[in-house]
Amino acid sequence: QAVLTQPPSASASLGASVKLTCTLTGGLSHYSIAWHQQQPQKGPRFLMTLNSDGTHFKGDGIPDRFSGSSSGAERYLTISSLQFEDEADYYCQTWATGMRDFGGGTRLTVL
Amino acid sequence: QVQLQESGPGLVKPSQTLSLTCSVSGATVNSGNFYWSWIRQPPGKGLEWIAYIYYNGGAFYTPSLESRVHISINTSKNEFSLRLNSVTAADTAVYYCASGNYGTFNWWGQGTPVTVSS
Repeated sequence: QAVLTQPPSASASLGASVKLTCTLTGGLSHYSIAWHQQQPQKGPRFLMTLNSDGTHFKGDGIPDRFSGSSSGAERYLTISSLQFEDEADYYCQTWATGMRDFGGGTRLTVL
Repeated sequence: QVQLQESGPGLVKPSQTLSLTCSVSGATVNSGNFYWSWIRQPPGKGLEWIAYIYYNGGAFYTPSLESRVHISINTSKNEFSLRLNSVTAADTAVYYCASGNYGTFNWWGQGTPVTVSS
């Protein structure tokens, strides 16, 4: 069973907001995760770490439009004022098992 | 600001050994503040963590690759490396090195593509 599950796709309109979901499975609901962004044909970029209480710590240079929140086993990444450059794959990642695990990623399309 | 740069052969023949190196700047590999990792991404697929190593040499591997992979640190060159034995076409991927303070990957390299083909 995968440690992290993500919907494969999401879409939202330019200028709108979108909330991406990552679910911790297997009784790991109290663990922290990280969010990473991968724009087309580029390497991944660290966005933030996100704790179970919703506190989050962003990487250098990450715009205020990106924020995180939590509810139970769910971890969320909210992107507001969507721009075309936000069209990307978004991966959640955790270290809850002692190893490192990635979710399958969500491909965000900006309409 | 930690910067990472991968280097590798580009093309490897089946059954041979793949060797990759990650050069580090902005931090030292023997610092206790960082974990050093390798991650790969097959064409059109998601990210797969391979291994990490700590400054004291302690290493952990993903179970599916553990029998074929070895990660190491070279403090004199301030770099860390990955060796993957007995490669097959399934090992074709972009390989990334990454680093973070514990479980996260705060910094990523640009990636180096590896094709396994005869």
